[in-house]
Amino acid sequence: KQEVTQIPAALSVPEGENLVLNCSFTDSAIYNLQWFRQDPGKGLTSLLLIQSSQREQTSGRLNASLDKSSGRSTLYIAASQPGDSATYLCAVAHYTGANSKLTFGKGITLSVRP
Amino acid sequence: EAQVTQNPRYLITVTGKKLTVTCSQNMNHEYMSWYRQDPGLGLRQIYYSMNVEVTDKGDVPEGYKVSRKEKRNFPLILESPSPNQTSLYFCASKLLPSGNTIYFGEGSWLTVV
Repeated sequence: KQEVTQIPAALSVPEGENLVLNCSFTDSAIYNLQWFRQDPGKGLTSLLLIQSSQREQTSGRLNASLDKSSGRSTLYIAASQPGDSATYLCAVAHYTGANSKLTFGKGITLSVRP
Repeated sequence: EAQVTQNPRYLITVTGKKLTVTCSQNMNHEYMSWYRQDPGLGLRQIYYSMNVEVTDKGDVPEGYKVSRKEKRNFPLILESPSPNQTSLYFCASKLLPSGNTIYFGEGSWLTVV
């Protein structure tokens, strides 16, 4: 059974820091990995999608990497800002039978202090 | 604009009173799915549908029903809601094949008293 872990559960950093959020998964038979952002009481916003054949994706100050063989992904946030405060979830897409399924980590709640 | 729309966004209901949470997408996606999000448990899949009239159980289907009569709609039905179904519910859709981005609705906050 696929399991996705994100540690720590919460992180507080001062504004301007570069930071790395980690995600690990137990089964490398995935076809992609997606990072999402969730603001309190809101839905999920997709940040980056990395296909299983890719090593990384970049969007603005965000860079996500994928090492499928070791079951790890990282989300790098450059020059963090208070507006980056949110919960960040990673999810791996895989098949279970006919189900094209996403298994989520429990998220990392990031607080960026001004 | 590409959208997944859920209604209602907020609902307080009583135990045993049937309710339906609607989900509609305007992207002609084959795949649709329902998730619930609970503190400490994360997001868990309730049901999914690979296409019209094709639905199947996810990880936590007990107490829920779904239907997929049209491609754009995927309602979640709680026939007899109980307090343990108090949760934040998300509908999602994507275009098959599976490598495509999944899109989520804004979420529906459901409280059962």
